[in-house]
Amino acid sequence: RKEVEQDPGPFNVPEGATVAFNCTYSNSASQSFFWYRQDCRKEPKLLMSVYSSGNEDGRFTAQLNRASQYISLLIRDSKLSDSATYLCVVNTKNSGYSTLTFGKGTMLLVSP
Amino acid sequence: SQTIHQWPATLVQPVGSPLSLECTVEGTSNPNLYWYRQAAGRGLQLLFYSVGIGQISSEVPQNLSASRPQDRQFILSSKKLLLSDSGFYLCAWSVPRGYEQYFGPGTRLTVT
Repeated sequence: RKEVEQDPGPFNVPEGATVAFNCTYSNSASQSFFWYRQDCRKEPKLLMSVYSSGNEDGRFTAQLNRASQYISLLIRDSKLSDSATYLCVVNTKNSGYSTLTFGKGTMLLVSP
Repeated sequence: SQTIHQWPATLVQPVGSPLSLECTVEGTSNPNLYWYRQAAGRGLQLLFYSVGIGQISSEVPQNLSASRPQDRQFILSSKKLLLSDSGFYLCAWSVPRGYEQYFGPGTRLTVT
């Protein structure tokens, strides 16, 4: 099983649609979770951290299910500017230090 | 506020030539620093991370090396490039013992 697994997409949605991405992770000891956004040929940018109780930032809602080891991202009222690749990220302990493991990303294309 | 710089932005190098990519961070002290590579159509692969001057941990054995000569400077090097070294090289930083990482603009390397 891959450490962090995502549906590669692409997800093609019209403006205004609601879209959800899921991600599963294999390390049950993982403690921190994030969603990053990466535009074409650009660096990844932190979109939001994911907390156990779930959290919301404007049109974006992140959920964590530790028992099932999956993370979700919901985008409401999609905008053209939301078109990007969304990376699911999980922390991993390595020799006493934590490093991040990135999924390959899910591509979102929002059309007019 | 903190900023992270990388240069050059793009690079085309022949097989067998040396490589030196530089990353500097401003506005923070004693950051953790990371080098990632993103090959075409693939996820981010952690190459090296550093928790302090002269302290480098390697994640993947290969013909690349990293050095941290100053607190906020991280350098990625190779003595002889391979075709498989082509990719998008990203430097990132985090606060000590922090999980959230922030990326520089990246260097796009093409080995011909």
